[in-house]
Amino acid sequence: GENVEQHPSTLSVQEGDSAVIKCTYSDSASNYFPWYKQELGKGPQLIIDIRSNVGEKKDQRIAVTLNKTAKHFSLHITETQPEDSAVYFCAARGSNDYKLSFGAGTTVTVRA
Amino acid sequence: DAEITQSPRHKITETGRQVTLACHQTWNHNNMFWYRQDLGHGLRLIHYSYGVQDTNKGEVSDGYSVSRSNTEDLPLTLESAASSQTSVYFCASSESRVSPLHFGNGTRLTVT
Repeated sequence: GENVEQHPSTLSVQEGDSAVIKCTYSDSASNYFPWYKQELGKGPQLIIDIRSNVGEKKDQRIAVTLNKTAKHFSLHITETQPEDSAVYFCAARGSNDYKLSFGAGTTVTVRA
Repeated sequence: DAEITQSPRHKITETGRQVTLACHQTWNHNNMFWYRQDLGHGLRLIHYSYGVQDTNKGEVSDGYSVSRSNTEDLPLTLESAASSQTSVYFCASSESRVSPLHFGNGTRLTVT
């Protein structure tokens, strides 16, 4: 099955700086890569996703890049704000079984 | 607004007891999923269903069962609770196999 690795496990940034989280996946057939944000006491919420036919996608301060050859994708958050503090999960979905496999998560802390 | 609700939010039970966690969605989604979240492991798939009367095992299904008698509900049963099943459990649903997941706010289960 799909194996997704996520780094770093924790990330502390100064407010206004950028944050980058990286994930690698093992199944070259995976074709859908979402990112979820989980706030304390809540369930994960989709913040952005990318499909394998696209190399980059942006939505205001967040962007995701995908390198299919290297089998890795990254989340970029620019101009970080305190409300960006949360746990972020990457995931990958194979084209054969449609199941999502998640990374272990990154705890992001934005320092004021 | 459509939503997905889990109950109870917190549960403490003893080893060996049977426990059922409820999940109810008003999205009218065919697909429903149960994940467990543990530190260092991210979200791992327990069971999933693609429609009424359909159930499938995920990567960590041992000791758990589900049933799908209607579109709205997918209860998760721990037949004989073990301390290793202490975790936070999330239910999710999606409109189709290629659609994003919508998560509930989780149930924190402690097995003593």
